[in-house]
Amino acid sequence: GAGVSQSPSNKVTEKGKDVELRCDPISGHTALYWYRQRLGQGLEFLIYFQGNSAPDKSGLPSDRFSAERTGESVSTLTIQRTQQEDSAVYLCASSSASGGETQYFGPGTRLLVL
Amino acid sequence: RKEVEQDPGPFNVPEGATVAFNCTYSNSASQSFFWYRQDCRKEPKLLMSVYSSGNEDGRFTAQLNRASQYISLLIRDSKLSDSATYLCVVTRPSGSARQLTFGSGTQLTVLP
Repeated sequence: GAGVSQSPSNKVTEKGKDVELRCDPISGHTALYWYRQRLGQGLEFLIYFQGNSAPDKSGLPSDRFSAERTGESVSTLTIQRTQQEDSAVYLCASSSASGGETQYFGPGTRLLVL
Repeated sequence: RKEVEQDPGPFNVPEGATVAFNCTYSNSASQSFFWYRQDCRKEPKLLMSVYSSGNEDGRFTAQLNRASQYISLLIRDSKLSDSATYLCVVTRPSGSARQLTFGSGTQLTVLP
């Protein structure tokens, strides 16, 4: 079936504007993760959703960042009042409950804040 | 100290060479271990899991030493297509869930 998809693939915004990034996980995958990857850096965990459990938000860097997921479907990551340091690739991954740790990544959204 | 540490490289090796990457982790409660591969400007993809007994997949061999909190990846007879960044990944319990932590990656370039 289809893999993880993300939109938009690229986003250029002005400092101070809000942006919303979307992730469509693989159908049937109960776990969904958001990561941030700055240029030349490793992946930085942001937030994790597992089924209907409360999300693990421990990686969100500030209260400007929030994410939602309805059930086991689409998730949106919202960054309010964007700053230049928010420029990065935002990667979404999903995994099945049974194969917990094998994560399938989407192609990412490249965000540039001017 | 980072929870997962890797030598960033870059490692530049000729085709056919054998190359080894190391990774250390700091949390002794870590449960599962993986190597992911990330090509330039692409998303990470699972390369292989790492088991205590060690495991091999073709030219790739992964080893885990729980006592030393150390993971390794060995690539034999390297190919041009092996050029990528290799990410060490460790999971640990986090409440009722599992937290994955990625290392910053080791960059490999295989030269013709």
